[in-house]
Amino acid sequence: DQQVKQNSPSLSVQEGRISILNCDYTNSMFDYFLWYKKYPAEGPTFLISISSIKDKNEDGRFTVFLNKSAKHLSLHIVPSQPGDSAVYFCAASLLGGSEKLVFGKGTKLTVNP
Amino acid sequence: KAGVTQTPRYLIKTRGQQVTLSCSPISGHRSVSWYQQTPGQGLQFLFEYFSETQRNKGNFPGRFSGRQFSNSRSEMNVSTLELGDSALYLCASSVGVTGEQFFGPGTRLTVL
Repeated sequence: DQQVKQNSPSLSVQEGRISILNCDYTNSMFDYFLWYKKYPAEGPTFLISISSIKDKNEDGRFTVFLNKSAKHLSLHIVPSQPGDSAVYFCAASLLGGSEKLVFGKGTKLTVNP
Repeated sequence: KAGVTQTPRYLIKTRGQQVTLSCSPISGHRSVSWYQQTPGQGLQFLFEYFSETQRNKGNFPGRFSGRQFSNSRSEMNVSTLELGDSALYLCASSVGVTGEQFFGPGTRLTVL
């Protein structure tokens, strides 16, 4: 039972354009959501997070949107740069301060020059 | 501040053997979590330790165990290795309240 789903295994965009990565979840108990970026042979790197009490959080070129009613979140990268090419993981954690993260299977983003 | 370190980076073992992986968290972080990454299953949570106590556990068999020391360093042990245990094992540390976890580079385990 996959509780966090990233339905697009890959995404290709042109440099300078917007990248939109999507994530759906099934467990309504999740209250904290995070996005990680991963390069080959490295551990995931934290990008941005959002609490369930918010619907948007921005950090520079990265914005995460949360739609609780649809159990959907998305990561927007504007403008996209070739260095953003990596695998992006969506993750969620449960109520109660749990440090257990439930990950999606990732979306490989390729930003073409 | 130094990041999360994991040793060794690469390991090759044979079926039936056991293995111990080590993780040193970021200074001041009291929570250490372990994850297994495989191509088919993605990143899966193994367990979390906080102040030397296992606080959360994932759905893995008892062959997978761990511990945490008073300095927050953690070890993970896998006994009676199986071919399917071949994976990238990632350690992550955090201050211990729901928030961002910081990952190490991982240990690549190959079971032959």
